[in-house]
Amino acid sequence: DTAVSQTPKYLVTQMGNDKSIKCEQNLGHDTMYWYKQDSKKFLKIMFSYNNKELIINETVPNRFSPKSPDKAHLNLHINSLELGDSAVYFCASSQSINSPLHFGNGTRLTVT
Amino acid sequence: QKEVEQNSGPLSVPEGAIASLNCTYSDRGSQSFFWYRQYSGKSPELIMSIYSNGDKEDGRFTAQLNKASQYVSLLIRDSQPSDSATYLCAVNREGGGNKLTFGTGTQLKVEL
Repeated sequence: DTAVSQTPKYLVTQMGNDKSIKCEQNLGHDTMYWYKQDSKKFLKIMFSYNNKELIINETVPNRFSPKSPDKAHLNLHINSLELGDSAVYFCASSQSINSPLHFGNGTRLTVT
Repeated sequence: QKEVEQNSGPLSVPEGAIASLNCTYSDRGSQSFFWYRQYSGKSPELIMSIYSNGDKEDGRFTAQLNKASQYVSLLIRDSQPSDSATYLCAVNREGGGNKLTFGTGTQLKVEL
């Protein structure tokens, strides 16, 4: 009964490839997020969607494109992967815009 | 100046002692404050949230907020080895669309 689930858990790919990470939450939350945690464990927001509408878009390269088909899903597509994209990507959700976040288990992306 | 600052540690305390974790933030408009615990290789999980000045207690955990000093802390009483983890302070500005800003975390080690 995972509340926020993301797949895959591990993703190893070569530079230049395109990959997607999927996220689903069954908490009935309105808001979903993508966070990136780098090798120094710094956690930084990338995107936030509220009821399928993009509300936060941090300074993220255009190669990263989120898609929210419905409020329970927020996927992340990455084009032309680079070495610097290697990190752990966390999906999260919250009941509303000012509520605490619930994180998924993370996707460890390794670009070689 | 970083938006949210934490001492990276490691902070070592003996079992049964009180662990004190500190966090300062730079944005005076910050309204919501959270402490997350992250075990190695796992996702962050919410420990405490605090929104007004003073203390908030939940079991062995006490969060303290002083907005005038832009300071938030987490006390863990009767520390257990299972409390060994990285503790992340997160701050949200009202009207910021839940753009949580995280500190880099303090690693806590509870020794037998």
